[in-house]
Amino acid sequence: TQLLEQSPQFLSIQEGENLTVYCNSSSVFSSLQWYRQEPGEGPVLLVTVVTGGEVKKLKRLTFQFGDARKDSSLHITAAQPGDTGLYLCAGGVNTGNQFYFGTGTSLTVIP
Amino acid sequence: NAGVTQTPKFRILKIGQSMTLQCTQDMNHNYMYWYRQDPGMGLKLIYYSVGAGITDKGEVPNGYNVSRSTTEDFPLRLELAAPSQTSVYFCASSYGLAEETQYFGPGTRLLVL
Repeated sequence: TQLLEQSPQFLSIQEGENLTVYCNSSSVFSSLQWYRQEPGEGPVLLVTVVTGGEVKKLKRLTFQFGDARKDSSLHITAAQPGDTGLYLCAGGVNTGNQFYFGTGTSLTVIP
Repeated sequence: NAGVTQTPKFRILKIGQSMTLQCTQDMNHNYMYWYRQDPGMGLKLIYYSVGAGITDKGEVPNGYNVSRSTTEDFPLRLELAAPSQTSVYFCASSYGLAEETQYFGPGTRLLVL
């Protein structure tokens, strides 16, 4: 059972294009995190959102937490080759000290 | 600070063999986690610990054991390796509850043949 579904699973775009990655669930989460993982390395945290409807910006990356705290999106403006990597969302639940990770979106930005 | 370190980086096991994956953090974090990552499946939590002497099961604990005798170390034990345990294993730590940043190690790639 996969609590968090990410789409698309794979994405290949040209440098300078915009893109959006989605993270969806039927469950409510107390917080939602986005990580980026490069080949051969562990995930690195990009952002944590905790309030329904919350929007956070990190340079060219915009993160939004759904009003009902069941979904989230990551929007990248003017993608660059350095954005290439695996993007993972992870939802935290109040009942346990753990996160549930999504299936991941593999992004390739072509120069 | 070295952060979270894992050893070995890569290991091949035969079916039925046992091994211990080592994980050490030098950030004085209370919380530590073991995940496995399979292609197209994201990360699945195996076990976690909220402090020395306290461990609990995650989503996929079968076939694994852990211990937490010190704040720094959180080894993962595979007793009877099976092909289904072929995966990349990540250890992570955080200061507090789940909303805190999790810092991941570089991973251990395990192949069971």
